[in-house]
Amino acid sequence: DAKTTQPPSMDCAEGRAANLPCNHSTISGNEYVYWYRQIHSQGPQYIIHGLKNNETNEMASLIITEDRKSSTLILPHATLRDTAVYYCIVTNAGNNRKLIWGLGTSLAVNP
Amino acid sequence: ETGVTQSPTHLIKTRGQQVTLRCSSQSGHNTVSWYQQALGQGPQFIFQYYREEENGRGNFPPRFSGLQFPNYSSELNVNALELDDSALYLCASSSLAGESYNEQFFGPGTRLTVL
Repeated sequence: DAKTTQPPSMDCAEGRAANLPCNHSTISGNEYVYWYRQIHSQGPQYIIHGLKNNETNEMASLIITEDRKSSTLILPHATLRDTAVYYCIVTNAGNNRKLIWGLGTSLAVNP
Repeated sequence: ETGVTQSPTHLIKTRGQQVTLRCSSQSGHNTVSWYQQALGQGPQFIFQYYREEENGRGNFPPRFSGLQFPNYSSELNVNALELDDSALYLCASSSLAGESYNEQFFGPGTRLTVL
């Protein structure tokens, strides 16, 4: 079973920041938080990942709470192309690294 | 650098038949993972291959089998197809190097319909 809980859907106005929450209250010390997104009928796309510290790349920022029980993915200036299902995944650093996916959050960016 | 490719893009089979799906991993990657995604669901892990050996398996019956070749491309074989096998099959490649994590790069998937 997935170790994360996400809201099923969210809306965001184009140009505004999209803040997608994720709860992972049972996360272990050696487990990372990963975010992927899937645009309709395409393969998932990696966005970002983190362990303890906040992370930022060209696509998004990841804010992880100090107790690591929740995180927020931030798309700073959402565009219509960001409309997708966003998956928050918790996985360990073992050599298997299989990803256990939940249902994700369906983000609709509106004009 | 080429991305992950999968073939075919769409496939229609009948119940009881066998199917082979193919995946070419991204250049430099030595690991391939396969996922099944039913409509409206998140992907489910089937198995992973690392340097031609199975390196972990999800909760799928033995009629789901795979291969990885020396060039790190991979095949997913499904025997005795059932209606519930209808799904999008995703292949993801990555590079395992000790404890260093490299994200998984997904192909566009193969849409399998079983009638």
